[in-house]
Amino acid sequence: DAGVIQSPRHEVTEMGQEVTLRCKPISGHDYLFWYRQTMMRGLELLIYFNNNVPIDDSGMPEDRFSAKMPNASFSTLKIQPSEPRDSAVYFCASSPLGDEQFFGPGTRLTVL
Amino acid sequence: RKEVEQDPGPFNVPEGATVAFNCTYSNSASQSFFWYRQDCRKEPKLLMSVYSSGNEDGRFTAQLNRASQYISLLIRDSKLSDSATYLCVVYNFNKFYFGSGTKLNVKP
Repeated sequence: DAGVIQSPRHEVTEMGQEVTLRCKPISGHDYLFWYRQTMMRGLELLIYFNNNVPIDDSGMPEDRFSAKMPNASFSTLKIQPSEPRDSAVYFCASSPLGDEQFFGPGTRLTVL
Repeated sequence: RKEVEQDPGPFNVPEGATVAFNCTYSNSASQSFFWYRQDCRKEPKLLMSVYSSGNEDGRFTAQLNRASQYISLLIRDSKLSDSATYLCVVYNFNKFYFGSGTKLNVKP
């Protein structure tokens, strides 16, 4: 199995632009998670899905962030408009049963 | 109070040493516990789950103390390749909480 796939691996954008991060979970995993990691705040869970349905989005910072999972093999995290404080590494993870999680390589986002 | 707390370290130990980390959690009803390992500029990777009876995987031993609300990770005969940040994870009521991590440096 290829593992969790994320794209792009690096993204540099200017403040105010829309950013879309993409994730393909491991086939057969019913759970998908989006995390953000910074030096100051560590690893934060933003949202997670079970069978494509959002279960907990209490970690989504504000309305500028949105996440979708249109099918079992694809999810997006969108930031519109982006701000410099959104600069972080964004990880996607998937899990077969919702407990043990397998992380993708992350997207390193820089907002100038 | 944070849901999960860890000593950030760093723990600097020589090769072959035994080292232990603890992680405390605030919710006594927490259901599941895990240790993850994260190398610099890489993604976290599951190291092991923590079972109520304790569990061992080679040089690694994880234990759960519900009375005192902490989990521990013991590494025996540490290797240079064990140098990483170790994150504890606590799951309760459909929420996952990650600790900020404990950094381990194993030196020759």
